Amino acid sequence: NAGVTQTPKFRVLKTGQSMTLLCAQDMNHEYMYWYRQDPGMGLRLIHYSVGEGTTAKGEVPDGYNVSRLKKQNFLLGLESAAPSQTSVYFCASSYRRSSYNEQFFGPGTRLTVL
Amino acid sequence: DQQVKQNSPSLSVQEGRISILNCDYTNSMFDYFLWYKKYPAEGPTFLISISSIKDKNEDGRFTVFLNKSAKHLSLHIVPSQPGDSAVYFCAASARETSGSRLTFGEGTQLTVNP
Repeated sequence: NAGVTQTPKFRVLKTGQSMTLLCAQDMNHEYMYWYRQDPGMGLRLIHYSVGEGTTAKGEVPDGYNVSRLKKQNFLLGLESAAPSQTSVYFCASSYRRSSYNEQFFGPGTRLTVL
Repeated sequence: DQQVKQNSPSLSVQEGRISILNCDYTNSMFDYFLWYKKYPAEGPTFLISISSIKDKNEDGRFTVFLNKSAKHLSLHIVPSQPGDSAVYFCAASARETSGSRLTFGEGTQLTVNP
């Protein structure tokens, strides 16, 4: 099992450009999440999904959109990139019936917006 | 508002000694607590968890203590090893109000010196 994979690993954008980050999981998890990690701020939830075709806003959703057309994939889109979106982005997934809400994370995507 | 707080950005200990990482929370609805470990250029990995009905959970060298009245938890690593050097994140969930969502602290960089 590959677990949670993220594409791409690195990306540099210019302000105003758009892009899509892809997350895939092969564990048949119902729930999926997108986080951003910034120095001194831990992991902050951007958007999440509790099932195929459903998405919801997290703590910092502005400037991002998501889609969950297939159970195994969760896409994060940046409509018009801004320097404030320079960050490391992590995708995670979890079982609906997890006792502790344990989430499994991908390796991250490092995004730089110039 | 920061509902989960790790007040120490960094901690340095000698190999073989005890490492104690601390975490405070403000939301009394949190009922599960987790610790994640993160190496550079990798995603966070689950380490240990505890339910709010317990005050201690142990797994090998790792023990998590929960003090509900003080809204405080700590992770003890004994004995510490150089391979334990990583960033440790505390996380909490409130199933009743937030479902599967986790709230993370800022992280503590642990360095174990040989």
